[in-house]
Amino acid sequence: DTGVSQNPRHKITKRGQNVTFRCDPISEHNRLYWYRQTLGQGPEFLTYFQNEAQLEKSRLLSDRFSAERPKGSFSTLEIQRTEQGDSAMYLCASSRSRDRGWGYTFGSGTRLTVV
Amino acid sequence: AQKVTQAQTEISVVEKEDVTLDCVYETRDTTYYLFWYKQPPSGELVFLIRRNSFDEQNEISGRYSWNFQKSTSSFNFTITASQVVDSAVYFCALRSRQPMTTDSWGKLQFGAGTQVVVTP
Repeated sequence: DTGVSQNPRHKITKRGQNVTFRCDPISEHNRLYWYRQTLGQGPEFLTYFQNEAQLEKSRLLSDRFSAERPKGSFSTLEIQRTEQGDSAMYLCASSRSRDRGWGYTFGSGTRLTVV
Repeated sequence: AQKVTQAQTEISVVEKEDVTLDCVYETRDTTYYLFWYKQPPSGELVFLIRRNSFDEQNEISGRYSWNFQKSTSSFNFTITASQVVDSAVYFCALRSRQPMTTDSWGKLQFGAGTQVVVTP
């Protein structure tokens, strides 16, 4: 069990470019979550997968954002036509559905800077 | 809608002092979970404690203790005899325990966080 892994740790991109982040959850965890954290704020929920099914999406997830979890393993979060307001830490977390109520295990996040 | 308020932006203490972090929450759910997380400079959110809404027994775990008062919707957290390694941002979070009856199932609602600075 190596924890939740996120890549890359840091990403600097020019406005208008597309970026993709990857999250590898703990292997036996069937639930996967994406959160966004801006400076000085707590994380905000973006989306949630149970296995490969995307069950919930926040209103924060605009049309430029898309998340996938093929085969119910790793997940990718893509942002198209990045804007400066997309600059934030993107956190991934995973859990097991049978561990009802337990806190998730979070990854270390991907810090995105849009210049 | 759910809401978590952490009114303290930053707390500075000298090592060995106790630190109490305040958390007030709002929810229409009758059952829910409350959490405290720690975020050190490395960025990873570390789970500290969890409390069920139907269990108001307050506990101590090592140097951590918490005071859950359902009547006032508060879930305060105390670090006893603080150490420099306790320096971090601490987040209070709320999660619904009622699947299919609320749109907040499965996700954590975080407060804005409290920065704790412990100096030697």
